This record gives sequence, structure tokens and C-alpha cells, in this order.
Amino acid sequence: DTGVSQDPRHKITKRGQNVTFRCDPISEHNRLYWYRQTLGQGPEFLTYFQNEAQLEKSRLLSDRFSAERPKGSFSTLEIQHTEQGDSAMYLCASSLVRSSYNEQFFGPGTRLTVL
Amino acid sequence: AQSVTQPDIHITVSEGASLELRCNYSYGATPYLFWYVQSPGQGLQLLLKYFSGDTLVQGIKGFEAEFKRSQSSFNLRKPSVHWSDAAEYFCAVMAIQGAQKLVFGQGTRLTINP
Repeated sequence: DTGVSQDPRHKITKRGQNVTFRCDPISEHNRLYWYRQTLGQGPEFLTYFQNEAQLEKSRLLSDRFSAERPKGSFSTLEIQHTEQGDSAMYLCASSLVRSSYNEQFFGPGTRLTVL
Repeated sequence: AQSVTQPDIHITVSEGASLELRCNYSYGATPYLFWYVQSPGQGLQLLLKYFSGDTLVQGIKGFEAEFKRSQSSFNLRKPSVHWSDAAEYFCAVMAIQGAQKLVFGQGTRLTINP
């Protein structure tokens, strides 16, 4: 399978614990995006990388959230001291930017439940 | 700021009937426009996209969408739905410059009656 993969698919944690999600983009894709989708809503942008550089972060991304993309390949999203409001589906997308358009390919998501 | 409105949270149609899902957007210029479909447990799949040119665009699975600049709309249509079309549908816009992040509507859940 050459699509975007995310691990784990499901994560249940207790409030206050730290969690880390991983996203493996399509090979050669230079952009990687993280979105968050809460129940009954559309996905919302969190942050994105161009190669290894994190170029933009949404105001939704509090100080408890950190994302990395070492070497411009896979990316991790860490949430420290989780809160119940962090429960959501975390989606990763990757794209190959050429000219003025990039089509984003989405992974299956990681569903986080904070108890 | 960009925004997308999908006025219908939930739509039910009978199998074989026609379908139209509404989408209105707010943006300073003409953005790129998209429709995605999300089935339970699945990621988002791109149905179709509009950049410029012909305002009627064809997508996968027999879907089409029409861009109407005067109405800031990008409605999705299908002449005859199948039970497998039951899913959540999202309209999205993307700015042409900068981060090119997607801004999604809240989605329309489609139920198909047999």
C-alpha cells in the first residue's frame, strides 16, 4: 500500500497522560498536514510541514501540542497532559507541491479518546 | 477569512433517486474547491475538484459539481444514487497561495433508503 498511513488507528488514554501519533506520508511528498476532526464537524487545520520545516500552526494548536517531521519523512504529533477536549480524530495528509496546486491525500486517521 | 457552509446536516434519499448536496463558501477571490467523501472508519477520499475553466466538473463514482461564482456555490450532484453512496460528504476550499490548507464545511450525512 503506497498511501498515507497513520499509527495507531485508535488510542484510549486517561486525562493527564501524554500521547504520540505517527504519520507516514506518500513517498516523495514534500508537504505534510495535520488536521483534527471532532464529532459532527469537518476537519480543521492544525499545522503543516514543507519538508522538515514547520511553516504554520493554527491557534487550535495549544502549547500542549507539538509536531515534528525529522528529515522530512514521517511526522509525529504529541499531545502532553491530555484533556477530554482533545478527544477527536487526528488526520494526516500529504501532498507533492507543483505549480500552484497540491492535492492532499489523507490517511485513515487516529481516533483519540481521553477518559 | 475563508469559510464553508453546508446547510444540510443530514439528507435521506431513496436508492435510484437524484441527489444534490449544497455548499456555499466565503472567500476574497475564487479559491480551489473540493468535495470529499468519508465512510465510517475510512479516510477522506477526493471526489472532485475545481480550479478554473469549465464550471461543471466531473468526478469519480458518477458525481459532478457545478461552480457558480455569482452565488459562491459549489453544489454536488448525482443523477441516481446507490446504497454504497451512504457516507459523510465534505465541501472544502483551498487558498491558491500560502499554506494551501483545506477549510472544510461541517459535512452532510447521506442516508440511502432501499
